[in-house]
Amino acid sequence: SYELTQPPSVSVSPGQTAIITCSGDDLGDKYVCWYQQRTGQSPVLVMFQDKKRPSGIPERFSGSNSGNTATLTISGTQTMDEADYYCQAWDRTTVVFGGGTTLTVL
Amino acid sequence: EVQLVQSGAEVKKPGESLKISCEASGDSFRSYWIAWVRQMPGRGLEWMGIIYPGDSDTTYSPSFQGQVTISADKSIKTAYVQWSSLKASDSAIYYCASRRSGYFYFDSWGQGTLVTVSS
Repeated sequence: SYELTQPPSVSVSPGQTAIITCSGDDLGDKYVCWYQQRTGQSPVLVMFQDKKRPSGIPERFSGSNSGNTATLTISGTQTMDEADYYCQAWDRTTVVFGGGTTLTVL
Repeated sequence: EVQLVQSGAEVKKPGESLKISCEASGDSFRSYWIAWVRQMPGRGLEWMGIIYPGDSDTTYSPSFQGQVTISADKSIKTAYVQWSSLKASDSAIYYCASRRSGYFYFDSWGQGTLVTVSS
C-alpha cells in the first residue's frame, strides 16, 4: 500500500521559516494537500493541489511538490501556527495520510 | 462548501453495536463525497472510507473493510458509520469530512465524535 512519510516533529523560533516535508514514491505525480490540526480541534485544510491556499489561510503558508517530496513552508512562523500538520494524497481510489508532523514554535 | 455536524459522544461496552452520524447543510449534498477518518488517542489521521450519497457508491480503506459499514441517506443529508460489535480498540475520535465531486481534498470537517468502548 502507498505510504506518506513525515518527520514526527519540527521546531522553529517565532518569525523563522518552518519546512515540513512529506515523502512518497513518485509523489510529484500526485496532488498533495495539507491539513492543520490544533490541539483539541478538527483538521483544517491549509493547502490543496500542492500549492493552492484556501480562502482565509495566510499568505505565509506555501506549498510545493516535486519528485518524491512535497513541502509545506510557513514563512514568518507565528505561535498560532503551532499544531500538527498532515499531508494527504490519493492512491488510485483510496486516501492516504502522512503520519503527521508536530510543529513547535518556541 | 457544506457544513458538517456530527452526533454526540458515545460510551459503549465491547460487543455492542453503534451508528454515528454526520449531517450536512449549506450546499448541495449531492455534489459531495463524505469520508470518515479515525484518530486514536495521541495518534494521527486514518482514512476509513468514503461514500457518495447520491448513489451510495462507497470505497473502504483495506484496513477498515469488513470492520465498519459506511452508509448515507441523501434525503436527510446524513452519512453514517456503524459497527456491529465494538472493541476497545475502536475507542477514538471519528471525523467526517467532505470533498466536492471532481476535487481531491477535504475542505470541510465535522467537529468529531468521541467513541469510548470500555467494559
